[in-house]
Amino acid sequence: QKEVEQDPGPLSVPEGAIVSLNCTYSNSAFQYFMWYRQYSRKGPELLMYTYSSGNKEDGRFTAQVDKSSKYISLFIRDSQPSDSATYLCAMSGGSSNTGKLIFGQGTTLQVKP
Amino acid sequence: NAGVTQTPKFQVLKTGQSMTLQCAQDMNHNSMYWYRQDPGMGLRLIYYSASEGTTDKGEVPNGYNVSRLNKREFSLRLESAAPSQTSVYFCASSRSSGGLYNEQFFGPGTRLTVL
Repeated sequence: QKEVEQDPGPLSVPEGAIVSLNCTYSNSAFQYFMWYRQYSRKGPELLMYTYSSGNKEDGRFTAQVDKSSKYISLFIRDSQPSDSATYLCAMSGGSSNTGKLIFGQGTTLQVKP
Repeated sequence: NAGVTQTPKFQVLKTGQSMTLQCAQDMNHNSMYWYRQDPGMGLRLIYYSASEGTTDKGEVPNGYNVSRLNKREFSLRLESAAPSQTSVYFCASSRSSGGLYNEQFFGPGTRLTVL
Protein backbone atom coordinates (compact mmCIF):
# COMPACT_ATOMS: atom_id res chain seq x y z
CA GLN A 1 0.00 0.00 0.00
CA LYS A 2 1.30 3.43 -0.93
CA GLU A 3 1.75 5.94 1.89
CA VAL A 4 -0.31 8.49 -0.03
CA GLU A 5 -3.17 7.56 -2.35
CA GLN A 6 -4.72 9.92 -4.87
CA ASP A 7 -7.28 9.18 -7.54
CA PRO A 8 -5.46 9.88 -10.83
CA GLY A 9 -8.64 10.80 -12.70
CA PRO A 10 -8.82 12.25 -15.27
CA LEU A 11 -11.52 14.56 -14.00
CA SER A 12 -13.48 16.66 -16.48
CA VAL A 13 -15.89 19.39 -15.35
CA PRO A 14 -17.72 22.33 -16.95
CA GLU A 15 -16.53 25.86 -16.27
CA GLY A 16 -17.98 27.22 -13.03
CA ALA A 17 -18.26 23.82 -11.33
CA ILE A 18 -17.00 23.09 -7.82
CA VAL A 19 -14.14 20.62 -7.92
CA SER A 20 -13.13 18.32 -5.08
CA LEU A 21 -9.72 16.64 -5.12
CA ASN A 22 -8.78 14.18 -2.40
CA CYS A 23 -5.90 12.21 -0.92
CA THR A 24 -5.73 9.59 1.79
CA TYR A 25 -2.62 8.66 3.70
CA SER A 26 -1.48 5.99 6.12
CA ASN A 27 1.31 7.67 8.12
CA SER A 28 -0.20 9.35 11.17
CA ALA A 29 3.06 11.26 11.74
CA PHE A 30 2.48 13.54 8.76
CA GLN A 31 2.03 17.14 9.91
CA TYR A 32 2.56 19.26 6.80
CA PHE A 33 0.16 18.99 3.90
CA MET A 34 0.58 20.61 0.53
CA TRP A 35 -1.12 20.85 -2.81
CA TYR A 36 0.99 21.42 -5.90
CA ARG A 37 -0.33 22.38 -9.33
CA GLN A 38 1.48 21.21 -12.44
CA TYR A 39 0.66 22.56 -15.87
CA SER A 40 1.44 20.38 -18.87
CA ARG A 41 5.19 20.02 -19.50
CA LYS A 42 6.06 22.28 -16.55
CA GLY A 43 7.42 21.74 -13.04
CA PRO A 44 5.03 21.59 -10.07
CA GLU A 45 4.39 24.79 -8.15
CA LEU A 46 3.03 25.13 -4.62
CA LEU A 47 -0.64 26.07 -4.46
CA MET A 48 -1.63 25.59 -0.80
CA TYR A 49 0.19 24.68 2.42
CA THR A 50 -1.50 23.53 5.65
CA TYR A 51 0.00 22.61 8.97
CA SER A 52 -1.87 19.95 11.00
CA SER A 53 -5.67 19.77 10.88
CA GLY A 54 -8.08 22.44 9.75
CA ASN A 55 -9.08 24.53 6.78
CA LYS A 56 -7.24 27.14 4.78
CA GLU A 57 -8.75 29.37 2.15
CA ASP A 58 -7.04 31.31 -0.63
CA GLY A 59 -9.35 32.91 -3.13
CA ARG A 60 -11.25 30.19 -4.97
CA PHE A 61 -9.17 27.44 -3.33
CA THR A 62 -9.82 25.77 0.02
CA ALA A 63 -7.61 23.09 1.55
CA GLN A 64 -8.96 20.82 4.29
CA VAL A 65 -7.07 18.40 6.49
CA ASP A 66 -8.77 15.77 8.65
CA LYS A 67 -6.00 14.01 10.54
CA SER A 68 -8.43 11.74 12.40
CA SER A 69 -9.52 10.24 9.07
CA LYS A 70 -6.11 10.68 7.39
CA TYR A 71 -7.81 12.52 4.57
CA ILE A 72 -7.06 15.80 2.84
CA SER A 73 -9.05 17.70 0.24
CA LEU A 74 -8.66 20.61 -2.14
CA PHE A 75 -11.81 22.42 -3.26
CA ILE A 76 -11.86 24.74 -6.25
CA ARG A 77 -14.89 27.04 -6.53
CA ASP A 78 -16.04 28.59 -9.80
CA SER A 79 -13.53 26.51 -11.72
CA GLN A 80 -11.94 28.13 -14.79
CA PRO A 81 -10.32 26.64 -17.91
CA SER A 82 -7.03 28.03 -16.56
CA ASP A 83 -7.37 25.59 -13.63
CA SER A 84 -6.83 22.69 -16.05
CA ALA A 85 -3.70 21.01 -14.72
CA THR A 86 -2.50 18.06 -12.68
CA TYR A 87 -2.90 18.53 -8.91
CA LEU A 88 -0.52 16.67 -6.61
CA CYS A 89 -0.94 16.32 -2.88
CA ALA A 90 2.24 16.08 -0.82
CA MET A 91 2.98 15.45 2.84
CA SER A 92 5.85 15.43 5.29
CA GLY A 93 6.57 15.35 8.99
CA GLY A 94 7.21 12.95 11.81
CA SER A 95 9.83 12.38 14.47
CA SER A 96 12.62 12.19 11.92
CA ASN A 97 11.29 14.99 9.77
CA THR A 98 13.86 15.55 7.09
CA GLY A 99 11.67 17.67 4.85
CA LYS A 100 11.22 14.85 2.38
CA LEU A 101 7.86 15.11 0.69
CA ILE A 102 5.72 12.09 -0.12
CA PHE A 103 3.58 12.78 -3.18
CA GLY A 104 0.32 11.32 -4.34
CA GLN A 105 -0.01 10.11 -7.92
CA GLY A 106 -1.62 13.37 -9.06
CA THR A 107 -5.13 14.05 -10.40
CA THR A 108 -5.48 15.47 -13.89
CA LEU A 109 -8.26 18.07 -14.09
CA GLN A 110 -9.80 19.48 -17.25
CA VAL A 111 -12.22 22.42 -17.01
CA LYS A 112 -14.22 22.79 -20.19
CA PRO A 113 -15.44 26.24 -21.29
CA ASN B 1 15.98 35.47 -10.11
CA ALA B 2 15.89 32.38 -12.30
CA GLY B 3 14.81 30.11 -9.43
CA VAL B 4 15.71 26.50 -10.21
CA THR B 5 17.28 25.79 -13.58
CA GLN B 6 17.92 22.40 -15.17
CA THR B 7 19.98 21.34 -18.16
CA PRO B 8 19.44 19.77 -20.59
CA LYS B 9 15.69 20.08 -21.26
CA PHE B 10 15.60 16.96 -23.45
CA GLN B 11 17.98 14.05 -23.92
CA VAL B 12 17.93 10.75 -25.81
CA LEU B 13 20.42 8.09 -24.74
CA LYS B 14 21.22 4.57 -25.85
CA THR B 15 21.25 1.78 -23.30
CA GLY B 16 24.58 1.76 -21.46
CA GLN B 17 25.46 5.39 -22.10
CA SER B 18 26.12 7.75 -19.23
CA MET B 19 25.08 11.32 -18.63
CA THR B 20 24.81 13.97 -15.96
CA LEU B 21 21.77 16.12 -15.34
CA GLN B 22 22.63 19.55 -14.00
CA CYS B 23 20.61 21.62 -11.52
CA ALA B 24 21.27 25.03 -10.04
CA GLN B 25 19.29 27.35 -7.75
CA ASP B 26 19.82 31.01 -6.99
CA MET B 27 17.58 31.30 -3.92
CA ASN B 28 20.31 30.54 -1.37
CA HIS B 29 18.43 27.38 -0.37
CA ASN B 30 20.11 24.79 1.81
CA SER B 31 18.28 21.68 0.62
CA MET B 32 18.05 20.21 -2.86
CA TYR B 33 16.23 17.20 -4.31
CA TRP B 34 16.04 15.03 -7.41
CA TYR B 35 12.74 13.40 -8.41
CA ARG B 36 11.54 11.33 -11.30
CA GLN B 37 7.97 11.48 -12.58
CA ASP B 38 6.37 8.60 -14.41
CA PRO B 39 2.74 8.29 -15.59
CA GLY B 40 0.46 7.24 -12.73
CA MET B 41 3.33 7.25 -10.22
CA GLY B 42 3.47 10.84 -9.07
CA LEU B 43 6.87 12.23 -8.05
CA ARG B 44 9.35 9.81 -6.52
CA LEU B 45 12.43 11.00 -4.68
CA ILE B 46 15.73 9.70 -6.04
CA TYR B 47 18.27 11.50 -3.85
CA TYR B 48 18.32 14.60 -1.72
CA SER B 49 20.84 16.87 -0.07
CA ALA B 50 19.68 18.38 3.21
CA SER B 51 22.64 20.77 3.26
CA GLU B 52 25.87 21.41 1.41
CA GLY B 53 28.20 18.46 1.85
CA THR B 54 25.50 15.87 2.59
CA THR B 55 23.51 13.56 0.34
CA ASP B 56 21.05 10.78 1.14
CA LYS B 57 19.09 8.18 -0.76
CA GLY B 58 15.42 8.62 -1.45
CA GLU B 59 12.81 6.13 -2.53
CA VAL B 60 14.35 5.04 -5.87
CA PRO B 61 18.16 5.58 -5.80
CA ASN B 62 19.30 2.49 -7.73
CA GLY B 63 21.15 3.32 -10.93
CA TYR B 64 21.83 6.94 -9.94
CA ASN B 65 24.54 8.93 -8.21
CA VAL B 66 24.51 12.55 -7.07
CA SER B 67 26.97 15.29 -6.28
CA ARG B 68 26.29 18.42 -4.23
CA LEU B 69 28.94 20.50 -5.93
CA ASN B 70 28.34 23.59 -3.79
CA LYS B 71 25.37 25.29 -2.19
CA ARG B 72 23.89 26.22 -5.58
CA GLU B 73 24.42 23.07 -7.63
CA PHE B 74 23.22 19.49 -7.34
CA SER B 75 23.87 17.06 -10.20
CA LEU B 76 22.38 13.64 -10.96
CA ARG B 77 24.42 11.05 -12.84
CA LEU B 78 23.29 7.97 -14.71
CA GLU B 79 26.36 5.74 -15.06
CA SER B 80 24.84 3.16 -17.41
CA ALA B 81 21.42 4.19 -18.65
CA ALA B 82 18.62 1.63 -18.91
CA PRO B 83 15.22 1.90 -20.64
CA SER B 84 13.59 1.81 -17.17
CA GLN B 85 15.18 5.20 -16.52
CA THR B 86 13.11 6.82 -19.26
CA SER B 87 11.28 9.50 -17.31
CA VAL B 88 10.92 13.19 -16.59
CA TYR B 89 13.43 14.34 -13.99
CA PHE B 90 12.79 17.29 -11.71
CA CYS B 91 15.18 19.09 -9.45
CA ALA B 92 13.82 21.03 -6.48
CA SER B 93 15.18 23.16 -3.67
CA SER B 94 13.92 24.36 -0.31
CA ARG B 95 15.09 26.85 2.31
CA SER B 96 15.69 24.05 4.77
CA SER B 97 14.74 20.46 5.33
CA GLY B 98 12.02 19.87 7.88
CA GLY B 99 9.67 22.16 9.73
CA LEU B 100 7.71 25.00 8.26
CA TYR B 101 10.28 25.98 5.66
CA ASN B 102 10.31 22.94 3.43
CA GLU B 103 8.28 24.45 0.58
CA GLN B 104 10.00 23.00 -2.43
CA PHE B 105 10.54 24.98 -5.61
CA PHE B 106 10.83 22.95 -8.78
CA GLY B 107 12.77 23.35 -11.98
CA PRO B 108 11.22 22.89 -15.45
CA GLY B 109 12.31 19.27 -15.79
CA THR B 110 14.50 17.16 -18.08
CA ARG B 111 12.78 14.72 -20.43
CA LEU B 112 15.01 11.67 -20.79
CA THR B 113 14.47 8.79 -23.19
CA VAL B 114 16.67 5.71 -23.07
CA LEU B 115 16.48 3.51 -26.16
